[in-house]
Amino acid sequence: EAQVTQNPRYLITVTGKKLTVTCSQNMNHEYMSWYRQDPGLGLRQIYYSMNVEVTDKGDVPEGYKVSRKEKRNFPLILESPSPNQTSLYFCASSSTGGNQPQHFGDGTRLSIL
Amino acid sequence: GQNIDQPTEMTATEGAIVQINCTYQTSGFNGLFWYQQHAGEAPTFLSYNVLDGLEEKGRFSSFLSRSKGYSYLLLKELQMKDSASYLCAVGGGFKTIFGAGTRLFVKA
Repeated sequence: EAQVTQNPRYLITVTGKKLTVTCSQNMNHEYMSWYRQDPGLGLRQIYYSMNVEVTDKGDVPEGYKVSRKEKRNFPLILESPSPNQTSLYFCASSSTGGNQPQHFGDGTRLSIL
Repeated sequence: GQNIDQPTEMTATEGAIVQINCTYQTSGFNGLFWYQQHAGEAPTFLSYNVLDGLEEKGRFSSFLSRSKGYSYLLLKELQMKDSASYLCAVGGGFKTIFGAGTRLFVKA
């Protein structure tokens, strides 16, 4: 079954404690992306990756890092989380970039206390 | 700047037709997407318009006018399960910009 898998689904943690949200896709997609979704603001793009070892900033990259060492995986790293990063996060993938529909993971709800 | 506007909420009756509008101003444009998102779930793809005109897909249709920066999603024969948020998004280059979404409530 074609899918995008994120882990964890839920996480409550404290300010400053490094965390990683994993994302994996099994569709051999070149393009992967991370979004955060906040009430009234919709989905905002954090980072995206066009292919292995190729990443670029989206609209809200501050406080986040990503890496793309393998085609299937695109982890999101919060080196020093802060309360304003409390949000619902989605990973997505598509065959190419902004001209193809994206497949979304089930989301990760992060709470930073 | 980049901006996508859509109504925050709409209410319609089961069996009726509803039109959700979207206007956009973006620096790049490859095409316009509509996604559906049920509460607590991931967005799922509904439609993609590249050229002007109407694209019909079952009960759902999507329209695009690039010169006006305008799109709409038309839902016919509304069902209770259509209660969800509908997200308008513009793809440009490698980026995708999403609107804040329209919450649609379908009442019996």
